[in-house]
Order: sequence, then C-alpha cells, then structure tokens
Amino acid sequence: DGGITQSPKYLFRKEGQNVTLSCEQNLNHDAMYWYRQDPGQGLRLIYYSQIVNDFQKGDIAEGYSVSREKKESFPLTVTSAQKNPTAFYLCASSITDMGNSPLHFGNGTRLTVT
Amino acid sequence: AQSVTQLDSHVSVSEGTPVLLRCNYSSSYSPSLFWYVQHPNKGLQLLLKYTSAATLVKGINGFEAEFKKSETSFHLTKPSAHMSDAAEYFCVVSATGANNLFFGTGTRLTVIP
Repeated sequence: DGGITQSPKYLFRKEGQNVTLSCEQNLNHDAMYWYRQDPGQGLRLIYYSQIVNDFQKGDIAEGYSVSREKKESFPLTVTSAQKNPTAFYLCASSITDMGNSPLHFGNGTRLTVT
Repeated sequence: AQSVTQLDSHVSVSEGTPVLLRCNYSSSYSPSLFWYVQHPNKGLQLLLKYTSAATLVKGINGFEAEFKKSETSFHLTKPSAHMSDAAEYFCVVSATGANNLFFGTGTRLTVIP
C-alpha cells in the first residue's frame, strides 16, 4: 500500500541533544512537508520541499533543519537550538505544491525532550 | 490574507443525531477548502475538499460540506453520528499554494452512546 511512514512513533531525548525524525513516502509525490502540532493549536509549517535538493522555511523553522536528497525521504532534525521541542510532529506529502492538492499524512512522531 | 476560524473547540452529540462542525474562512483569492479528520495519535486524513466546482461537496464516511461564499463558511455536516466519528476535525484554507495552507485550531467531536 502507498503511504507515508514516520519513525519512530515515540522519541525521548535529553535537552541539548539533536534528534532526527524520519519520513519516507512511496506515493511518488513531489512535495513534502513537516508540521508541528501542539495541543489546542492548528498545524504549523516547519519546512517544505517542492523538489529533490530544494527546501524552504515555513512559519516556525528556527531550531530545525531538513534535507531532501531523495524524492522519497525528507528527514527533520530538531536541534538543541529549538527552545520548546516537545510536540507531535507530522510529515505530509502532496502530488504538487499547488493549493488544491490534498495532503497525505504520516501517523506522526511524538517527541518528548526533558 | 487567508485565515480560518473553527467556531467550536468541542462539539458533543448523541449517536444517531446530526453533526454540525462550523468553519468560517477569510481569503483574498478564490480559496481551496478542506476538511481533515484526526484520530488520537494519528495523522490527518482528508475527508473532503472544495476547489470551485459544486458548492456541496460529498466526502468519505457520509460527511459533506457546503461552500457559502456570501457567508464565507464551509461547515461540515453528517446526518447521523456514529461512535467511530469521535475525533478531531480540522478546517483548512489554501489560496496560493500548499505551502500556504492555513489550519483551523480544530474541533473535537465527542459521540455519546
């Protein structure tokens, strides 16, 4: 079945450590996204990529980094510079980056930093 | 500028009764509008989308939504709630590209047996 796989489902880290969240898709979608979800808030865009080897900052990119070396993969690194990293992280993809193309989401990674 | 407001943070209905989840939007352009559903600790799943075709949009699981330009609304409805409908629902507006999606803050739907 085609879809998006995020791993791990739960992740625990000590403050000051960098951590990388995995996102893989086999939908052959060009565009991929990372969102952060906090309780009582909508999703906020961290980074997005429209094509391999290219990515753009979203609304809350500070303290995060990404790479897009392969079409299928879009890992997110949460660095020690991110002041409040504990959150639920969602990866998504779409056929194109046009606004009428729906997003397909992974099942998320819940990151807890203590 | 684009924005979306979900008017209720929590809606509670009895099983078998109608569901209404309200969404108002603001957009400078002709918008695309979406409803997504999220079950606990899961990703979001597309319920339906409006992209300037028919104003009444039918989605999965018996949900539908009506685009009303004069009221800038895109309310989600279902004639009869099922226990499996209990989840969080997000209204989303987009006008200029998927990197400019605006998510509402969500409405949590509780279904009472």
